[in-house]
Amino acid sequence: GQNIDQPTEMTATEGAIVQINCTYQTSGFNGLFWYQQHAGEAPTFLSYNVLDGLEEKGRFSSFLSRSKGYSYLLLKELQMKDSASYLCAVRDNDRGSTLGRLYFGRGTQLTVWP
Amino acid sequence: DGGITQSPKYLFRKEGQNVTLSCEQNLNHDAMYWYRQDPGQGLRLIYYSQIVNDFQKGDIAEGYSVSREKKESFPLTVTSAQKNPTAFYLCASSIVGQPYEQYFGPGTRLTVT
Repeated sequence: GQNIDQPTEMTATEGAIVQINCTYQTSGFNGLFWYQQHAGEAPTFLSYNVLDGLEEKGRFSSFLSRSKGYSYLLLKELQMKDSASYLCAVRDNDRGSTLGRLYFGRGTQLTVWP
Repeated sequence: DGGITQSPKYLFRKEGQNVTLSCEQNLNHDAMYWYRQDPGQGLRLIYYSQIVNDFQKGDIAEGYSVSREKKESFPLTVTSAQKNPTAFYLCASSIVGQPYEQYFGPGTRLTVT
């Protein structure tokens, strides 16, 4: 099966840096996604890692270590609008599925204070 | 403008009634998905489809049914057999290939009383 773990809640202040961790256990890892979801809205895609290392995209970066089953999302220069839930999702190619079905963690609710 | 539409945004039903949630996409994606989200929970997969006229059960398919008669459309029916139907329902689509990024619709909040 799949086991994806991330903290339930985090808080930070405007302008700061925050790191949201995600650990996973899968039988056929084939990529990790981070999504942002504001309350009552659809998740929006932030980043994708399939190889080890850091992917940088503006204020957001995502890191992956496949050997450790570990990823983090790094948010820099935090803004109030970054208050949202951040979802870690893993694509698991179990049973030889060619479909990109994702397994989601429960999400980390980030609150940014002024 | 390409995207995924779900309607309605809010839906209210009485217990014992079936209800169908619509999902339409004009992204030309082959794969479509239905998820359920409850407070404090991650997204849980209900059904998914890779191609027209074919679909598979996800992790929580009991009490739900789907159809995929057209590439653009993947409606979800919540039947009276679903014991706890009140939830936020999200539809998504993707290409069948790397990177498999899923695009989500705005969601339908279903309340059954």
